[in-house]
Amino acid sequence: DTAVSQTPKYLVTQMGNDKSIKCEQNLGHDTMYWYKQDSKKFLKIMFSYNNKELIINETVPNRFSPKSPDKAHLNLHINSLELGDSAVYFCASSPEFSLYEQYFGPGTRLTVT
Amino acid sequence: GENVEQHPSTLSVQEGDSAVIKCTYSDSASNYFPWYKQELGKRPQLIIDIRSNVGEKKDQRIAVTLNKTAKHFSLHITETQPEDSAVYFCAASPPFNKFYFGSGTKLNVKP
Repeated sequence: DTAVSQTPKYLVTQMGNDKSIKCEQNLGHDTMYWYKQDSKKFLKIMFSYNNKELIINETVPNRFSPKSPDKAHLNLHINSLELGDSAVYFCASSPEFSLYEQYFGPGTRLTVT
Repeated sequence: GENVEQHPSTLSVQEGDSAVIKCTYSDSASNYFPWYKQELGKRPQLIIDIRSNVGEKKDQRIAVTLNKTAKHFSLHITETQPEDSAVYFCAASPPFNKFYFGSGTKLNVKP
């Protein structure tokens, strides 16, 4: 199923590099999210956009910058990557903010060496 | 903000037995409580959800109960099968606010 898609699926890069992860949803949803899942499997919200507007910006380093060119896309750009950024990053979308099921993308496994 | 605690962190049951996972939340304004299942290497997927105006909801072998007074909700899986083995996450959401996820429960169903 391609309701919420992310690219790339795997990303291996060195410390100090800049990388981007792309997310697209074809469900017509208004809200999109980025989550980080660490090695202990804890799911932590990073950002949320509703109709291209930022509505949640959790305490993440400002090296992380989300961009929503339109309602169907929410990309994540990470500058100056650090070892601690290694995790699985999930994009998700929902019809409205917080009231309904979130549909998750397949995840992007980021490994920083 | 909301704080969601989930127990146990790991649960091992024999095939055919029942499994119960419990979550507590702190914000009485929370009104939506979904449960997600995440199989190894896969994305989280919703398996059942409940809203604050309902005390119990059932879908085949899965049920969720909500006690608003005590601020806790539970996932019940009956007649467990090996394919139920996964990590389960609860979440709570106040109106027009973000989802707060629990820390996850790794369920292992032994054949």
